[in-house]
Amino acid sequence: DAKTTQPNSMESNEEEPVHLPCNHSTISGTDYIHWYRQLPSQGPEYVIHGLTSNVNNRMASLAIAEDRKSSTLILHRATLRDAAVYYCIPIPWTGTASKLTFGTGTRLQVTL
Amino acid sequence: DAGVTQSPTHLIKTRGQHVTLRCSPISGHKSVSWYQQVLGQGPQFIFQYYEKEERGRGNFPDRFSARQFPNYSSELNVNALLLGDSALYLCASSLGQGSTDTQYFGPGTRLTVL
Repeated sequence: DAKTTQPNSMESNEEEPVHLPCNHSTISGTDYIHWYRQLPSQGPEYVIHGLTSNVNNRMASLAIAEDRKSSTLILHRATLRDAAVYYCIPIPWTGTASKLTFGTGTRLQVTL
Repeated sequence: DAGVTQSPTHLIKTRGQHVTLRCSPISGHKSVSWYQQVLGQGPQFIFQYYEKEERGRGNFPDRFSARQFPNYSSELNVNALLLGDSALYLCASSLGQGSTDTQYFGPGTRLTVL
């Protein structure tokens, strides 16, 4: 499995954009990049996933570098509810998303 | 629609005892996965079951076992409990459709071993 590197923690002000980086330099050409987050005292929840091009959904945007060695999760307007630990997880195209390998993630703190 | 449910919410056991944790997946989901999350760390994969068959096992001792029932609910069993088994045990369900599948996690069972 590809290894990931994420900052241990980040801070943001409420209603400002947040860019959460993930380095996955050992990723293969067919690995999907999934992002999950875990709010305090809850199980993880799916945020977004992508392969090559940028992806958007109602929660966030995912920007994938052209060489695919890194990606950035973008929260366009952070709210207090977005305070969580964010995990980026590469998953092989031939693999299964039912066996997620979580790293240490990035703890996002959102302040007023 | 109901999400993934787990029972019990909290559990206290002593060393050497046995524990059974239960998980009910989202209706229509055939895949159930179990994770262990020790305080301060990310969840660690224990098992995946799909259509009642084990499809994956993480690096956990044989004291850990699981099964999936015909209604796709699942049990995780841990024998001969150790202090180090104290953790949040998470269950996730999904359609089981490969690398783009979305996992839906339950709230977890907090196990404390004294």
